[in-house]
Amino acid sequence: DTAVSQTPKYLVTQMGNDKSIKCEQNLGHDTMYWYKQDSKKFLKIMFSYNNKELIINETVPNRFSPKSPDKAHLNLHINSLELGDSAVYFCASSPEIAGGAYEQFFGPGTRLTVL
Amino acid sequence: KNEVEQSPQNLTAQEGEFITINCSYSVGISALHWLQQHPGGGIVSLFMLSSGKKKHGRLIATINIQEKHSSLHITASHPRDSAVYICAVAGNQFYFGTGTSLTVIP
Repeated sequence: DTAVSQTPKYLVTQMGNDKSIKCEQNLGHDTMYWYKQDSKKFLKIMFSYNNKELIINETVPNRFSPKSPDKAHLNLHINSLELGDSAVYFCASSPEIAGGAYEQFFGPGTRLTVL
Repeated sequence: KNEVEQSPQNLTAQEGEFITINCSYSVGISALHWLQQHPGGGIVSLFMLSSGKKKHGRLIATINIQEKHSSLHITASHPRDSAVYICAVAGNQFYFGTGTSLTVIP
């Protein structure tokens, strides 16, 4: 069984569209994350979320919003897509947020291409 | 300047060589993570350190909190170790290094 899964694996869309990426973890973890990896392979955290707190990286545009229907899911919604949003998006989970002192488990990534 | 600096950026080694990748950081942290990203794109967590040293198979990770420095060592390197190795620190938020691309030649 896949621990952290993401769908879709690839997403190609036009500028201005709204899209969602889904993430599910079956590890029973309390905290989930979204990361963006740009064309230079540089990783940057976008959000961390548990059932108590959403922490947003202040550099993330408000066109990006995480939605968590339950503890096992953290979906990423992106409105009005721009060319610069093209990247690979990774979801991850960990047992606790606790200052990041827990191992994280990563999903396989979603490659988003905005045309 | 990035909060996390890694060196070298690229590294090519012959199979069997001992490899060291360095990570320096400038922020206060609660933990440091070493990640491995395979050519296929998947990311795996190798180590999470808050002090001292950890060993897993041929991989060893050390951290010196006072010097704000960590090293990842690979003993008896193998072509399957070819990947990008990423250092990440957990402070008031997560900060990532730019990664070290390792190629091990048979």
